[in-house]
Amino acid sequence: QQQVKQSPQSLIVQKGGISIINCAYENTAFDYFPWYQQFPGKGPALLIAIRPDVSEKKEGRFTISFNKSAKQFSLHIMDSQPGDSATYFCAASGQGAQKLVFGQGTRLTINP
Amino acid sequence: DTGVSQDPRHKITKRGQNVTFRCDPISEHNRLYWYRQTLGQGPEFLTYFQNEAQLEKSRLLSDRFSAERPKGSFSTLEIQRTEQGDSAMYLCASSLTTGGAFFGQGTRLTVV
Repeated sequence: QQQVKQSPQSLIVQKGGISIINCAYENTAFDYFPWYQQFPGKGPALLIAIRPDVSEKKEGRFTISFNKSAKQFSLHIMDSQPGDSATYFCAASGQGAQKLVFGQGTRLTINP
Repeated sequence: DTGVSQDPRHKITKRGQNVTFRCDPISEHNRLYWYRQTLGQGPEFLTYFQNEAQLEKSRLLSDRFSAERPKGSFSTLEIQRTEQGDSAMYLCASSLTTGGAFFGQGTRLTVV
């Protein structure tokens, strides 16, 4: 029940295209859903996050879509650029502790 | 403040030796977390502090692992009698009571 399942494992997108990464969770106590970007040898960097009271949040080229009834959320990267090539992790946490449970990661490659 | 700082960035140690890592959080953040990340996986929660109190420890944190956060500022993570299975990236993150967690660059441990 603590798991967050992420797909796909890897994704190749052409420059200028839309990258879409999906996550699903089981624990209905989760109420905070961030996305992290990680480059090789670096720590994860917080990209964007959403809480269940909204269905969508947009920051620049990054959008989170959230479906509470389906217990799913996704990251959309618009106008994908080669610099977006990285590993992306979804995560979730419940009230209080903010301990994050991470998905398995998606390795995104943007071809120029 | 430039963010979460971890030291050292890399550590190579012989099996059976003790190692200690340090984390300096973002100064106004009262919560501090330790995670472990192995190659190709998402970070896994180890433990967290609110101020100086250690509030939760994962089952992943065996008796050989100990963490401290004296005076609610920096934190140390010690691994005693290291084993090859301890080889991983050890990540520290900090946050306010509400809000996103910000990660450091990590300490990569190699046990030979």
